[in-house]
Amino acid sequence: EAQVTQNPRYLITVTGKKLTVTCSQNMNHEYMSWYRQDPGLGLRQIYYSMNVEVTDKGDVPEGYKVSRKEKRNFPLILESPSPNQTSLYFCASSFGDRGRDGYTFGSGTRLTVV
Amino acid sequence: GNSVTQMEGPVTLSEEAFLTINCTYTATGYPSLFWYVQYPGEGLQLLLKATKADDKGSNKGFEATYRKETTSFHLEKGSVQVSDSAVYFCALVATSGSRLTFGEGTQLTVNP
Repeated sequence: EAQVTQNPRYLITVTGKKLTVTCSQNMNHEYMSWYRQDPGLGLRQIYYSMNVEVTDKGDVPEGYKVSRKEKRNFPLILESPSPNQTSLYFCASSFGDRGRDGYTFGSGTRLTVV
Repeated sequence: GNSVTQMEGPVTLSEEAFLTINCTYTATGYPSLFWYVQYPGEGLQLLLKATKADDKGSNKGFEATYRKETTSFHLEKGSVQVSDSAVYFCALVATSGSRLTFGEGTQLTVNP
């Protein structure tokens, strides 16, 4: 089944403890992206990647890192999480044409930083 | 910059009622337009899309037409069901690609 897989689905952590949220897609998509969803603020892009070793900042990149060493994987790294990064995170991928055909989303990761 | 504006919610309807959720956008050129749906506790699913002016996207009884002249992409369904209760997001990808820009989302509740 074609899908975007995120792990974990739920995560509670403490301030300052480094964490990684993994994202993998099995559709050979070139474009991948991370979003966070917050009440009243909607969905905002954190980082995106147009291909292996090509990444760029989205609207709210502060406090996050990403890497794209393989086409299928696009992990989101929080080096020193803070409570304001408590949110619902989504990974998404798209085949070609720079996302204009639409993105496939993962099921989400609900992160709580205490 | 690019932006998407959706009608304010939430929207509450009775089963079999007609649904319209308004969406207008601001973008240069010819963006691709999308409707995504988010069911409780789940991720976003692509509901329908249109990539050029006058295209009509349709899926599961939902329709939306890309209107360049009014910069709109309103979502409609002739007869809603309880199972349609969800949050609906209008979104675009600009001509230059690749970022999805979302509207605020509209919560739809359908009562039996």
